[in-house]
Amino acid sequence: TQLLEQSPQFLSIQEGENLTVYCNSSSVFSSLQWYRQEPGEGPVLLVTVVTGGEVKKLKRLTFQFGDARKDSSLHITAAQPGDTGLYLCASSRPSGGSYIPTFGRGTSLIVHP
Amino acid sequence: SQTIHQWPATLVQPVGSPLSLECTVEGTSNPNLYWYRQAAGRGLQLLFYSVGIGQISSEVPQNLSASRPQDRQFILSSKKLLLSDSGFYLCAWSPRTGIFNSPLHFGNGTRLTVT
Repeated sequence: TQLLEQSPQFLSIQEGENLTVYCNSSSVFSSLQWYRQEPGEGPVLLVTVVTGGEVKKLKRLTFQFGDARKDSSLHITAAQPGDTGLYLCASSRPSGGSYIPTFGRGTSLIVHP
Repeated sequence: SQTIHQWPATLVQPVGSPLSLECTVEGTSNPNLYWYRQAAGRGLQLLFYSVGIGQISSEVPQNLSASRPQDRQFILSSKKLLLSDSGFYLCAWSPRTGIFNSPLHFGNGTRLTVT
């Protein structure tokens, strides 16, 4: 079973600061997805990265996939209170003809106004 | 467009009572369906997944069971709840494309408190 380790577990910052959160594994990812979850709601997909070295941008969010496809990072520029939430990375493993998503434990981000 | 409905939103049940949580998906056919549990705002633990009617795979041994009586209906059940069953239960679907990076679409979850 591929284990996804996310760091830091908790992050509390002021509005306007930059931050980076990480997702690592000891084995190679087939692909990696980042989700954001707000309290009391289900996670929502932010991005999927597939190719080693890939960089994707979503407004103030920049996602990187490591060259060896064993790590990924999410960088937020000029964080806003609306960025508060739990950031989860997920990767899929094959099982019986399907692919089963496995999640890391997440990084809980609080952005103070 | 596809939508996923999960109910109830919150539930308080005594120890030893039965449980039935329901999830339905609209706007798609033959989805993969999943039940996850999340403890205290942390990562998601996969409980069950289903690739078709009547096909249920269990990821962890536990006090819970799942059923898929119809293509777009997924039910999580228990005959007798334990205190340790408390948590946030999330239903999700993904398209059955056989593609490894198909995204998951989640419901808004059920907050279960067993007292």
